[in-house]
Amino acid sequence: QVQLQQSGPGLVKPSQTLSLTCAISGDSVSSNRVAWSWIRQSPSRGLEWLGRTYYRSKWYNDYAVSVKSRITINPDTSKNRFSLQLNSVTPEDTAVYYCAREYDWNYDYWGQGTLVTVSS
Amino acid sequence: QPVLTQPTSLSASPGASARFTCTLRSGINVDTYRIYWYQQEPGSLPRYLLRYKSDSDKQQGSGVPSRFSGSKDASTNAGLLLISGLQSEDEADYYCAIWYSSTWVFGGGTKLTVL
Repeated sequence: QVQLQQSGPGLVKPSQTLSLTCAISGDSVSSNRVAWSWIRQSPSRGLEWLGRTYYRSKWYNDYAVSVKSRITINPDTSKNRFSLQLNSVTPEDTAVYYCAREYDWNYDYWGQGTLVTVSS
Repeated sequence: QPVLTQPTSLSASPGASARFTCTLRSGINVDTYRIYWYQQEPGSLPRYLLRYKSDSDKQQGSGVPSRFSGSKDASTNAGLLLISGLQSEDEADYYCAIWYSSTWVFGGGTKLTVL
């Protein structure tokens, strides 16, 4: 059974960097059959895909256009996890952030969600 | 104009059918895309329901009952989610999604009320 456990602060100041981590159990971040994504959800923006990382003989990333200049998703093979960094946050980045596993073109496992509030 | 447009809300009676629409932006041909559907019950994580491109290219999510099905309406350039035999526990938000320009795009979601 795959489990995704998220960690990271729930409050970030405007202009700072939002950082979250997603620890994986029951699968490998280096699996060549899946991708590992970050998705957020807010009342104003609904579900919004942010990006993903995946391994296919080498590491790849895909990012949403809306955050491409501010986002980094990195795998950590030593700890079997992956992370999200979102720079220069504003109150519009306030949302529940989810990590999720993409397998066969669908999201089958999700982290528990982290409410991140951007406020001074 | 958003890539995917969903009505904000839908209501239907127990035992009836519900038809959700996911309209693709003009210029994006629904025939080309697999349409994915997710259900999110209040306070829960999104759950994958199914994907549909054609009758020969479709997939039911694990454990998803057959009363959930997908289809398309080419005349309105929309993907469809059909739920038959509505139950109270079907009350939830329903999201469509497509893989578009190397990104996942979600619709804004439709809230189903079963009354």
